[in-house]
Amino acid sequence: EPEVTQTPSHQVTQMGQEVILRCVPISNHLYFYWYRQILGQKVEFLVSFYNNEISEKSEIFDDQFSVERPDGSNFTLKIRSTKLEDSAMYFCASSQQGFEAFFGQGTRLTVV
Amino acid sequence: AQSVTQLDSQVPVFEEAPVELRCNYSSSVSVYLFWYVQYPNQGLQLLLKYLSGSTLVKGINGFEAEFNKSQTSFHLRKPSVHISDTAEYFCAVRPIFGNEKLTFGTGTRLTIIP
Repeated sequence: EPEVTQTPSHQVTQMGQEVILRCVPISNHLYFYWYRQILGQKVEFLVSFYNNEISEKSEIFDDQFSVERPDGSNFTLKIRSTKLEDSAMYFCASSQQGFEAFFGQGTRLTVV
Repeated sequence: AQSVTQLDSQVPVFEEAPVELRCNYSSSVSVYLFWYVQYPNQGLQLLLKYLSGSTLVKGINGFEAEFNKSQTSFHLRKPSVHISDTAEYFCAVRPIFGNEKLTFGTGTRLTIIP
C-alpha cells in the first residue's frame, strides 16, 4: 500500500540552526501539507501546498518557515533559525483530491 | 473557523468491553469528519471518515462512528476492545468547500486494561 515517508525520523539541532525536514508524498497525490504536534498537545496545521504554491498557511507558519517541492517527488519543510519552541513532531501529509489526508510517520525535531 | 472538542482526555476500558470516544465540533459551514489513530511512537492513521451519505460509517479494526448533525457530534465506538487498541485517537474536521486543512481535537488516550 502506498504511504507517505518522512526522513529523518528524529532530528536534534542547536538553537539558531537551519533544519530541513523531508517528505515523499504518495505519488499520484496533488495536495501536500505539514502539521506539527508539540508534545502533549493537539495536532496543528502549518501549511498546505497545491499546484506548486502555498494554498494556505497558519499563523504559526511565519517567515522562519518555508516549503518546497524541488523535484516533483519530495516535499520539504525548512526552518531557517530554529527556536526551542519549534521542538515538536512534524507530520507531512498528502491527499489526492483534498478529501482525506494520509500522514507520514513524522519527524521528531528536538531543538537544544 | 472550525473547532473540535474531545472532552475525554483519557479513557480506560477493560478488554472486550465496549467503548465510546466522544467528539463534538463547531463550524459555520458544512464539514467532513474524520477519526485518526496514533499508536505509540507512530504517525497518524485514518480510522474512518464521513463525507456524505449514511451517517453511520464503518472503519478499520472494527470501529464505527455516527454523524449527528443536529448535535454536531461524531462519536467513535467499538463493541469489544482489544489490547492492541491502546492508542491516542483524534477527531478532525475540514470544510467541504474551500481550504482543505484539518482541525484536530486534543485527542483521547484509550488505555485497555487486561
